[in-house]
Amino acid sequence: GQNIDQPTEMTATEGAIVQINCTYQTSGFNGLFWYQQHAGEAPTFLSYNVLDGLEEKGRFSSFLSRSKGYSYLLLKELQMKDSASYLCAVSDSNYQLIWGAGTKLIIKP
Amino acid sequence: NAGVTQTPKFRVLKTGQSMTLLCAQDMNHEYMYWYRQDPGMGLRLIHYSVGAGITDQGEVPNGYNVSRSTTEDFPLRLLSAAPSQTSVYFCASSYEGASQPQHFGDGTRLSIL
Repeated sequence: GQNIDQPTEMTATEGAIVQINCTYQTSGFNGLFWYQQHAGEAPTFLSYNVLDGLEEKGRFSSFLSRSKGYSYLLLKELQMKDSASYLCAVSDSNYQLIWGAGTKLIIKP
Repeated sequence: NAGVTQTPKFRVLKTGQSMTLLCAQDMNHEYMYWYRQDPGMGLRLIHYSVGAGITDQGEVPNGYNVSRSTTEDFPLRLLSAAPSQTSVYFCASSYEGASQPQHFGDGTRLSIL
């Protein structure tokens, strides 16, 4: 079966760095997406990785290792507004997105 | 630019009633999707469309119908509502399927009593 695993919840301190991990087992791989979802709102796109390595975009970076079926989202200089759920999704062999359940990130002052 | 617009935002139905959730996008995207989001679970694909006149089933299609008569509109119909269909429904669109990000509407919160 297809499976995406993420931690359910993480807590971090304002100004710190946090790494949210995602492991996947899917039928085929056509890229991995990270989305941010604030409570009661729609998911919004953060990053896309299709090749191994690190993609940096401001305070957010995303890493992919296809051989390990592993990705992480790195958030630097955490701000209170970063409190949200972070969703990992993999595009499978049918180009459909398989979604993880999301990681709720709680930022404390 | 409105993006993806979903109506209504909230709705309460009785078991057995039918209703249509509306979704419209103004980005000229070919691909459109309907998901449901339930607590503790990832988004699950209900139906999707790769262009006007073309629809296909996703992971959880039972109890739902869709149509795509225009590029802009992709309505989702609940045929006979059941309590198990209580969920938050998101419509999304993308320029193409594989590597382009999906843009989401604000969601419809649906309760079935």
